[in-house]
Amino acid sequence: DARVTQTPRHKVTEMGQEVTMRCQPILGHNTVFWYRQTMMQGLELLAYFRNRAPLDDSGMPKDRFSAEMPDATLATLKIQPSEPRDSAVYFCASGLVGGRATFFGQGTRLTVV
Amino acid sequence: AQKITQTQPGMFVQEKEAVTLDCTYDTSDPSYGLFWYKQPSSGEMIFLIYQGSYDQQNATEGRYSLNFQKARKSANLVISASQLGDSAMYFCAMREDDYKLSFGAGTTVTVRA
Repeated sequence: DARVTQTPRHKVTEMGQEVTMRCQPILGHNTVFWYRQTMMQGLELLAYFRNRAPLDDSGMPKDRFSAEMPDATLATLKIQPSEPRDSAVYFCASGLVGGRATFFGQGTRLTVV
Repeated sequence: AQKITQTQPGMFVQEKEAVTLDCTYDTSDPSYGLFWYKQPSSGEMIFLIYQGSYDQQNATEGRYSLNFQKARKSANLVISASQLGDSAMYFCAMREDDYKLSFGAGTTVTVRA
């Protein structure tokens, strides 16, 4: 059963610490997305990769957030330094260009204290 | 400007009845896709159904059907024979030529026994 896998599922960290979230997209998918979900803002697109190349990261605070795809099976989202306002659920999603579905991972619930 | 509008923050439906969730969208792209996702209290985002802008027929997936009215730019989700397990938040989303998903604010559905 193909699925998008995210780790960790939950993360509690102190303000100022580095946080790394990982995502394994569905094998063969060539588009990968990072979304953030908060009560106030809903679902916001942070970054978007196609064939591992970053196409859009305009939704990310550039000074503290970075997103990479070191290979086709791994996408990472890093926050350094983390702040309490970064507390949210972070979703990774993957799909195929021209495909009829985009599938989400189970999310990483981040709490910055 | 809002690309996806869901005007119903919350809805109640009696078990075994049908419920329609409204979604309107705004795009100037001739080619686009419309999605519905379900987010239960566990937090995962579950893909339900997809409608392509050039699809001739309305999409159906089991108890889910999408009432696509292109001229009105609406893509309402119909859930037939509601079950208690259908209680969740439902999100409408649109994918345009850039392949990014834009989400609506969501509608909470509560199914009553």
